[in-house]
Amino acid sequence: AQKVTQAQTEISVVEKEDVTLDCVYETRDTTYYLFWYKQPPSGELVFLIRRNSFDEQNEISGRYSWNFQKSTSSFNFTITASQVVDSAVYFCALGLSGTYKYIFGTGTRLKVLA
Amino acid sequence: GAVVSQHPSRVICKSGTSVKIECRSLDFQATTMFWYRQFPKQSLMLMATSNEGSKATYEQGVEKDKFLINHASLTLSTLTVTSAHPEDSSFYICSARAGDLASYEQYFGPGTRLTVT
Repeated sequence: AQKVTQAQTEISVVEKEDVTLDCVYETRDTTYYLFWYKQPPSGELVFLIRRNSFDEQNEISGRYSWNFQKSTSSFNFTITASQVVDSAVYFCALGLSGTYKYIFGTGTRLKVLA
Repeated sequence: GAVVSQHPSRVICKSGTSVKIECRSLDFQATTMFWYRQFPKQSLMLMATSNEGSKATYEQGVEKDKFLINHASLTLSTLTVTSAHPEDSSFYICSARAGDLASYEQYFGPGTRLTVT
């Protein structure tokens, strides 16, 4: 089965707290991509990161960081020192080889309170 | 670069009418376009995949006669919701993949909010 699980439906934090959004995926493919997108209230998806299955290096971009672990099929996303503008729904997605389709997780709604 | 537009951004139509949504890749050629539907507070569900010049491939459970997809050129795909009903009210998002066969990247449009009254 090809599946993405985001077990956290909704998270609330106070501004400046760190928060980690979990993503667990399932696939039989050896070549695949993983993505994170942010969806603010406007609805437009904002691309955050792409990772291919052969690159397990963690990545940091400003306050954002990602931890990819193939051993646990996880691709977690951490926001450091959260801000109110980080409030949004965050989706993790799995890109499949061959069809190039994306399978999206159910999303995690993050609320950052001032 | 890699901009995808959708038109209209919002549309309200009466039950029983048809509505067309356009998806355009503005600065690249899209060999493949994807259409998603998103109900409130839910995830994006893939409806269909369309390749330029070919018939669309629909996901299981999606009525192809109700959701007509045309990908007539490398920069334009259209989704027509025929005989719309209130339950078709949703947020429709398209995405486009460039011609590089090795590219997994999909570029997403801003979405179209359809309300059927």
